[in-house]
Amino acid sequence: GAGVSQTPSNKVTEKGKYVELRCDPISGHTALYWYRQSLGQGPEFLIYFQGTGAADDSGLPNDRFFAVRPEGSVSTLKIQRTERGDSAVYLCASSPGHDGETQYFGPGTRLLVL
Amino acid sequence: GDSVTQMEGPVTLSEEAFLTINCTYTATGYPSLFWYVQYPGEGLQLLLKATKADDKGSNKGFEATYRKETTSFHLEKGSVQVSDSAVYFCALTNSGGYQKVTFGTGTKLQVIP
Repeated sequence: GAGVSQTPSNKVTEKGKYVELRCDPISGHTALYWYRQSLGQGPEFLIYFQGTGAADDSGLPNDRFFAVRPEGSVSTLKIQRTERGDSAVYLCASSPGHDGETQYFGPGTRLLVL
Repeated sequence: GDSVTQMEGPVTLSEEAFLTINCTYTATGYPSLFWYVQYPGEGLQLLLKATKADDKGSNKGFEATYRKETTSFHLEKGSVQVSDSAVYFCALTNSGGYQKVTFGTGTKLQVIP
């Protein structure tokens, strides 16, 4: 079956602009996660959704970052007033939603802020 | 908070050499431990996992044993191949609730023919 997909695969923007990154989880997966991976580092947790609600957004670095999942499937990560330090690969993962379930990762969106 | 420390790379090995990538962790409770692999140009994939002490995870010739006494989860493979060249991430999830993954910084492995 189809895995987690993310669009766009690459995004180049200018400092101060607004961007949206999209994640399509595996069908039927209720849990969805966003991570950010900076160059040479491991992924860092941003936010977790269970269904439509953000159950834990403690990893969002500041209020310029926001994510939604209005129908409990597709999620959008939104970044306002982008800064050069936001440049990274943004990863999405999904899982069936029960404790102990493996997370399946998408290929990521590579964001470059000029 | 929870953390994972793994050996820095890059690690360069000849084909058929023995591989060890060290990983230690700090966590409260009873974490589950994972190794993820990221092949060039591809997304993160789960390689193996262990959910309790003394469990051994294995896949594609790779093995790792959950050692609670040393808080370690070292990755091993007896004979590496060129196709194993990738970045390997040690990671954990904590039993304190949902499964937020805490990753190490990754170790790049290059296998030369």
